Amino acid sequence: GAVVSQHPSWVICKSGTSVKIECRSLDFQATTMFWYRQFPKQSLMLMATSNEGSKATYEQGVEKDKFLINHASLTLSTLTVTSAHPEDSSFYICSARELGAGHTDTQYFGPGTRLTVL
Amino acid sequence: GQNIDQPTEMTATEGAIVQINCTYQTSGFNGLFWYQQHAGEAPTFLSYNVLDGLEEKGRFSSFLSRSKGYSYLLLKELQMKDSASYLCAVMDSNYQLIWGAGTKLIIKP
Repeated sequence: GAVVSQHPSWVICKSGTSVKIECRSLDFQATTMFWYRQFPKQSLMLMATSNEGSKATYEQGVEKDKFLINHASLTLSTLTVTSAHPEDSSFYICSARELGAGHTDTQYFGPGTRLTVL
Repeated sequence: GQNIDQPTEMTATEGAIVQINCTYQTSGFNGLFWYQQHAGEAPTFLSYNVLDGLEEKGRFSSFLSRSKGYSYLLLKELQMKDSASYLCAVMDSNYQLIWGAGTKLIIKP
C-alpha cells in the first residue's frame, strides 16, 4: 500500500524556537496533503489542507502565520511551527491523497511527529 | 452542525465478536471511513463505505445505512492486538474528513 513518512518522529525544543516537520509520500504522488493535530485522548483535528503549488487552506482557529505550510512538490509538504510555546506540544500527523485518485479515495497517514515544547 | 457519535470505550473478550457503532450528522456525505489507532501511533485505514450494506474484509466488516446516518464496525475472533482506538470519520460535501472522538476497545483474555 501507499506509504507516507514523517520526519522527525519526535522533537523537543525550547519555547520561542521554530520546528519544521516534513511529510513525504514515498511511492505515490499526492496533490493534496492534510495536517492534523491530536491532543491526548482527543480526536484528530484538521489544521490545514495543502495543495501542491498553491497556498494552504487553514481551518478556523488555526493561525496561518504560526503554522507555516509549504507543499513544494507532489511528494513533500512541510509544517513549520514558528515561535513554539508549550501549548503547541502535541502529536502532529500528516496524510496524503493520491494524485488522480479522486476526492473520495483513502487518505494515507504518516506515522506522526510528537512535539514537546519546554 | 456536524457531529459524529461513537461510544467512548468498550470491553470484549479475546476470541469474541464486538460491534462498534457510529452515528453521524454531516453536511453532505461522500463516504465513511473506519481507522484503527494504537496508542501513540497514527491511524491506519480499515474500511471505506459509500453505498449501503456490509463490506467484509477478513476479520473486520463495516456496515453503512445512509438513510439512518449509521455505521458499525464488526470485529470477529478478537485478538489481544486488536486493543486500540477505532475512529469513525465521514467525508463531507467539501471532501473533508469529519472525525469521531474514537472508541477505545479493551480486549481481555
